[in-house]
Amino acid sequence: DAKTTQPPSMDCAEGRAANLPCNHSTISGNEYVYWYRQIHSQGPQYIIHGLKNNETNEMASLIITEDRKSSTLILPHATLRDTAVYYCIVRVAHNSGYSTLTFGKGTMLLVSP
Amino acid sequence: KAGVTQTPRYLIKTRGQQVTLSCSPISGHRSVSWYQQTPGQGLQFLFEYFSETQRNKGNFPGRFSGRQFSNSRSEMNVSTLELGDSALYLCASSLEPTSGGTSTDTQYFGPGTRLTVL
Repeated sequence: DAKTTQPPSMDCAEGRAANLPCNHSTISGNEYVYWYRQIHSQGPQYIIHGLKNNETNEMASLIITEDRKSSTLILPHATLRDTAVYYCIVRVAHNSGYSTLTFGKGTMLLVSP
Repeated sequence: KAGVTQTPRYLIKTRGQQVTLSCSPISGHRSVSWYQQTPGQGLQFLFEYFSETQRNKGNFPGRFSGRQFSNSRSEMNVSTLELGDSALYLCASSLEPTSGGTSTDTQYFGPGTRLTVL
């Protein structure tokens, strides 16, 4: 599976944009980048995913570099409720026809007042 | 639309016992996956079910098993519990089996069952 690298922690002031980076230098052409977040002791929450193009939804924007070796998740106006562990995942389709989500350690984002 | 539900939310068992956890997927979702989360190992994939068949399995011992019913609801069972089985067990559902990365197979997680083995 393609490996992702994320900073262990980041801080952001409430109301500011939070930019969470992720490196996935070994990503292959058919592998998607997924972002989930997990608030303490809750189930992971799906945020966004993409392949090549930048994506935006009501929660966040995903910027993928042209070479696809890195991406950035952007929370445009962070709130205290955005404090969570953010996981960047490269989704691999196995030869069996199925794929799994392989979670790393993620980035602990702390949003402060 | 209701999200993924898991029951019970909390469970305390003793070593050697067995436990059954239940998961109800989002309405219309036909695939259910199970994950184990511990502080030391993080989130690890257990297995995936679709159309009442196990489609994919992670690297866990045979004490961990599961099944899916015709209404897509799923249960997982852990027999002969060990202290190391203490974890948050998460269920995730998707419309279709996780065949790649298209929108139809995005996984949505439930709140989890917190299992404590004493």
